[in-house]
Amino acid sequence: QSALTQPASVSGSPGQSITISCTGTSSDVGGYNYVSWYQQHPGKAPKLMIYDVSNRPSGVSNRFSGSKSGNTASLTISGLQAEDEADYYCSSYTSSSSRVFGGGTKLTVL
Amino acid sequence: QVQLVESGGGVVQPGGSLRLSCAASGFTFSSYGMHWVRQAPGKGLEWVAFIRYDGSNKYYADSVKGRFTISRDNSKNTLYLQMNSLRAEDTAVYYCAKDWLGCFDYWGQGTLVTVSS
Repeated sequence: QSALTQPASVSGSPGQSITISCTGTSSDVGGYNYVSWYQQHPGKAPKLMIYDVSNRPSGVSNRFSGSKSGNTASLTISGLQAEDEADYYCSSYTSSSSRVFGGGTKLTVL
Repeated sequence: QVQLVESGGGVVQPGGSLRLSCAASGFTFSSYGMHWVRQAPGKGLEWVAFIRYDGSNKYYADSVKGRFTISRDNSKNTLYLQMNSLRAEDTAVYYCAKDWLGCFDYWGQGTLVTVSS
């Protein structure tokens, strides 16, 4: 149950696009389309942003999009806004029916 | 609207026990699997345990297997986490989360567990 690998931090200016990667193995990210992404502001509970690799829940801005290639999933945020500054976590279903999270990525909007 | 409210956190000595509860409302609790997820201070999210909608199957992270037990009472719309043999490294905010299509679609506000002498 090793954590998925995410960059510790990314940054971008307002209006720009950024991409956060999430690398696992064929036993988790690469083996299933059950990859999801969460946004967490300081002191708050996580919020679901993307499920099943690329689907957005109702109410989530279409500036957020997800994709997957092999063992690596990605979250792209376009048209960066100040309120997007937060921690982002990926998660995947695993072959042992457990779940695993990435280490988290701190997004800074410059 | 969906609400998940955790309770039962607090300060406990190493080796001690604690039981967390998560009261659910706003959805048909007995139709959904449920998770516990924790977050140590200043750290990332760690999945802890999952229970199927009917309690028939339970899964645990290696870090808590044999020490923690997840359970549910569908008649009370409540999820539980019994934590035994607690260690300093179990110190964290514990969240309950609803399962949906393999993801966590709703989260509670969390309850803090501190293991310290």
